[in-house]
Amino acid sequence: DGGITQSPKYLFRKEGQNVTLSCEQNLNHDAMYWYRQDPGQGLRLIYYSQIVNDFQKGDIAEGYSVSREKKESFPLTVTSAQKNPTAFYLCASSILLGNTEAFFGQGTRLTVV
Amino acid sequence: GENVEQHPSTLSVQEGDSAVIKCTYSDSASNYFPWYKQELGKGPQLIIDIRSNVGEKKDQRIAVTLNKTAKHFSLHITETQPEDSAVYFCAASPPGTASKLTFGTGTRLQVTL
Repeated sequence: DGGITQSPKYLFRKEGQNVTLSCEQNLNHDAMYWYRQDPGQGLRLIYYSQIVNDFQKGDIAEGYSVSREKKESFPLTVTSAQKNPTAFYLCASSILLGNTEAFFGQGTRLTVV
Repeated sequence: GENVEQHPSTLSVQEGDSAVIKCTYSDSASNYFPWYKQELGKGPQLIIDIRSNVGEKKDQRIAVTLNKTAKHFSLHITETQPEDSAVYFCAASPPGTASKLTFGTGTRLQVTL
């Protein structure tokens, strides 16, 4: 069953701690993305990767880091430098970077306590 | 870069009525316009998309129209049903292998009985 899987669905973090969100896809897609979703602000691009071992900053990369060591995996680390980390995080993938359909995971809701 | 505006932010219609959501974009080079539906607690899912070589596309109760001159595109849902209640996002992307989707801020559609 092909798709994109995010884990965990809910995540709680204490202030000052780093946390890593998982994203795995078995669609054989080259491109992967991380978006942040806040009420009334739509989907904002954090980081994206066109191919393995390559990634670029999106519109709101400050306080986040990523890696792309394998084609199927694109984990996102929310660092303590992110000032307002509580949000819904969405991972997506597409066949290529470019104007093609993006497939989304089910999201991870991160809450800082 | 591309900027996408979406209206209205909320829309309430009675079951059986039609719903229309409108988006405008800024980059005249954009040529791919997808629409996504997001149900509560889930990731967005593509429902229909259109490329700039056509002016309209239909899929059962859903249609999208594109006016390239005016740089706007719209989603039309006819004979609305309660299961159409969700948040809808439009997006736009210019051509090229380095392009990315830019999303609108979303429309929360509520279909009432």
